[in-house]
Amino acid sequence: QLQLQESGPGLVKPSETLSLTCTVSGGSISSSSSYWGWIRQPPGKGLEWIGSIYYSGNTYYNPSLKSRVTISVDTSKNQFSLKLKSVTAADTAVYYCARLTTWDGTMIFFDYWGQGTLVTVSS
Amino acid sequence: DIVMTQSPDSLAVSLGERATINCKSSQSVLYSSNNKNYLAWHQQKPGQPPKLLIYWASTRESGVPDRFSGSGSGTDFTLTISSLQAEDVAVYYCQQYYGTPYTFGQGTKLEIK
Repeated sequence: QLQLQESGPGLVKPSETLSLTCTVSGGSISSSSSYWGWIRQPPGKGLEWIGSIYYSGNTYYNPSLKSRVTISVDTSKNQFSLKLKSVTAADTAVYYCARLTTWDGTMIFFDYWGQGTLVTVSS
Repeated sequence: DIVMTQSPDSLAVSLGERATINCKSSQSVLYSSNNKNYLAWHQQKPGQPPKLLIYWASTRESGVPDRFSGSGSGTDFTLTISSLQAEDVAVYYCQQYYGTPYTFGQGTKLEIK
C-alpha cells in the first residue's frame, strides 16, 4: 500500500522560506504511472493545488504561486520536496503531499494523500 | 482557471436519507477525444486528509461503498449518497483535472439532521 509522509518545520518566520519533504513508501517515486504533488489547506478553508512533479523532474506549478515555488525530486531517497519563498501569514496552512495517477501519460487525479502537516508563518 | 462552484455550502440530512451535492465548472471538463469527464470527488473527514471517492465523474474508487455515486457531464455534476450513514459526516470537494491549475470546489459540509 502506497504511503506518503510530509516532514519539515511547523513554524516559519515571515519573509523566510518554507521547506517540506514528502517521503514515499510502498512504491517507487520513479514509477512511470505516477506524478507527485503538493496541495495546501488554510485553517478552516478549502484546498489549493500548489504544483506537481514527475520523477524526470518535469514540473507544473499553480500560476498564483509560481514565482515563489520550487518542487524537486530525489529518486535515490524516494522523496520529493517543496520550497515556498518569501512566506507571509497567508501561507499558514496544512500542506499535503499526494500522488497523481496518469492516463495516456498525463497526470490526472489525486489518489493517495499524506496525512498533512501544519505550517504556521509567524514571528 | 476553471472555477468549481459547489452547492449547497452545507447540508443536513437524516440518517438513511439521500444526500445530494452539486458541482458546476466554469467551462466544460469533458474531453471530446475520449468522452471522459475530468472530474473527481474527494471526502474529507474532520482532522483527516482528503480521500478519493469518485473519478471520471462516475467511477467509484476501489473500496468506496456503493451508496456513493457520481453523475453529470460537461459542466454540471452531482455526488449522491443514497442512504446516509453516520460515518459519512464530512466535507466533500469536487475537483477538476481537465487542465492546470487543478482546482477544487469550495466544499460542502454534510451533517446529520
